[in-house]
Amino acid sequence: GAVVSQHPSRVICKSGTSVKIECRSLDFQATTMFWYRQFPKQSLMLMATSNEGSKATYEQGVEKDKFLINHASLTLSTLTVTSAHPEDSSFYICSARPPGQGYEQYFGPGTRLTVT
Amino acid sequence: AQSVAQPEDQVNVAEGNPLTVKCTYSVSGNPYLFWYVQYPNRGLQFLLKYITGDNLVKGSYGFEAEFNKSQTSFHLKKPSALVSDSALYFCAVRPNTGTASKLTFGTGTRLQVTL
Repeated sequence: GAVVSQHPSRVICKSGTSVKIECRSLDFQATTMFWYRQFPKQSLMLMATSNEGSKATYEQGVEKDKFLINHASLTLSTLTVTSAHPEDSSFYICSARPPGQGYEQYFGPGTRLTVT
Repeated sequence: AQSVAQPEDQVNVAEGNPLTVKCTYSVSGNPYLFWYVQYPNRGLQFLLKYITGDNLVKGSYGFEAEFNKSQTSFHLKKPSALVSDSALYFCAVRPNTGTASKLTFGTGTRLQVTL
């Protein structure tokens, strides 16, 4: 149980375009989902926390107009990278936390974004 | 602010030997502590967690970790390493205050197990 999926696993887009990444909790409802960014050989940096039905909370330094997060249902959160640039190329990982479990977080397999 | 330190970028060990991956943390109040493993181009896989209770926590794939409150440490251990254990390991902490508290990761330690 407790599986989180991400789609796509890998995406290449041209500079200036937008790309959407989906994060789904497959067998549980997630009131809270998290989006992380990981640069090569570095740790995970939290970008934002999204709660179902409300606006996401962004970490300091993360542009909310560039990284649009929508958590429209208890099983789906989306991250849209708008007007992507090569510096946005990274590995994006989502995680989901079930309600009532104050400590467990389940991670998706990640999405490799390459902006050319 | 909470933080996690993983002082070793890489740990090398021969297969069959015991391994230790170090982690120290800083957090307000009591911690929830986690270890995750990441294989190339993959997300994080959960290994084990400390929430409360016994300081020695046993997890997946034969790994264990010991919570030491006085030393604020949560080192990951395995009695006998396997080549397949080679991966990137992350320690993480969050305070035990509420469901919305954030998880903070260390910088990761690459474990290399050789024959």
